[in-house]
Amino acid sequence: EVQLVESGGGLVQPGGSPRLSCAASGFSFSSYWMTWVRQAPGKGLEWVANIKQDGSEKHYVDSVKGRFTISRDNANNSLYLQLNSLRTEDTAVYYCVRGRSGLDYWGQGILVTVSS
Amino acid sequence: DVVMTQSPHSLTVTLGQPASISCRSSQSLVDSDGNTYLNWFQQRPGQSPRRLIYYGSKRDSGVPDRFSGSGSGTDFTLKISRVEAEDLGFYYCMQGTHWPLTFGGGTKVEIK
Repeated sequence: EVQLVESGGGLVQPGGSPRLSCAASGFSFSSYWMTWVRQAPGKGLEWVANIKQDGSEKHYVDSVKGRFTISRDNANNSLYLQLNSLRTEDTAVYYCVRGRSGLDYWGQGILVTVSS
Repeated sequence: DVVMTQSPHSLTVTLGQPASISCRSSQSLVDSDGNTYLNWFQQRPGQSPRRLIYYGSKRDSGVPDRFSGSGSGTDFTLKISRVEAEDLGFYYCMQGTHWPLTFGGGTKVEIK
């Protein structure tokens, strides 16, 4: 069974720099692109970033470019999202998702609240 | 960026009746590899999104056959042939052909 479990969220001050983690299991992690999608409270879904199987290719939505960094550790079946220079508008549930264009399996999500 | 426009924004459906959601993209979603990367997701209250349809019309494993996807190019539709109580929630289309990947604004389905 495919499982994606996010961690690392919580209440963060503006300008803060938390790192989100996603522990993957139940599939060959190194064979898949991986993606982060976020959802602000009461709002729709927004694609944030994704990363190729070997980490050689990464893509970001414009609003996070230069502030967020996606990475992965295939040896430990883990995906990461380093969030820097956080703004209040980054408050959202962040989902770890398998895939590049298909997004077939989603984690339960982790809430990041940016507030002073 | 490719804009994904869903309609209607909300839908109230009687149990057992059909429902239809439209999704239009500002550019063709046919990729250079010939595939059309258009997905439909369901998000029930308090849950993570779940993919229902990929490649515009292929149903995911375990998805009831009352859900169907159709369309091509820039015009796509999700249909529920007979709405059940468990179908309430939000539905989103998403294109995976062009960077950045983009979602529709969502359609709220309520049950009458």
